[in-house]
Amino acid sequence: KAGVTQTPRYLIKTRGQQVTLSCSPISGHRSVSWYQQTPGQGLQFLFEYFSETQRNKGNFPGRFSGRQFSNSRSEMNVSTLELGDSALYLCASSLLQSDLGKLFFGSGTQLSVL
Amino acid sequence: QQPVQSPQAVILREGEDAVINCSSSKALYSVHWYRQKHGEAPVFLMILLKGGEQKGHEKISASFNEKKQQSSLYLTASQLSYSGTYFCGTEGGSQGNLIFGKGTKLSVKP
Repeated sequence: KAGVTQTPRYLIKTRGQQVTLSCSPISGHRSVSWYQQTPGQGLQFLFEYFSETQRNKGNFPGRFSGRQFSNSRSEMNVSTLELGDSALYLCASSLLQSDLGKLFFGSGTQLSVL
Repeated sequence: QQPVQSPQAVILREGEDAVINCSSSKALYSVHWYRQKHGEAPVFLMILLKGGEQKGHEKISASFNEKKQQSSLYLTASQLSYSGTYFCGTEGGSQGNLIFGKGTKLSVKP
């Protein structure tokens, strides 16, 4: 069974640009969660989608948005990039809602903003 | 409402034991534990549900005290492979998404 796939693996952007990250969950999983990871801050929750509906959103500005498609694939978008957006972005899929079941994480997208 | 983990970092020799704590300011019905090795994605270890039950994974076990709103992860006779950062996760928003603590970095030396 294929794991969670995130693309691209690495991204380099400049301030002011926008970026779209993609996440393909494990087949059959309906929940996709997104996290931002930076040194010392751990895993900061961005948002979770379940069956195409956003369940919850973390404390991030409106520049961070996401969506989930009918096949459960998810994308997150960051507009007007800032230097502080440089981070590893992880997505995780689960069969059930994230607080009820086991999360399977992808390898992440390393975003560098110059 | 991010759970608080302690200690932030710990260094062990092979065979030594360690305890990692996770506490929350809100009532919990579950605590989740994950381990992330350097350069890899976090991997699920266990979920504990309220009732104080202990779970185990290899020589790693955990307890959950819902009255004290805290959980502890016990690493017994540590091995080199236990090195990594350990995260606890608890329910976050009103609809229950999972939020994580800042992590505890565990280094096991030969």
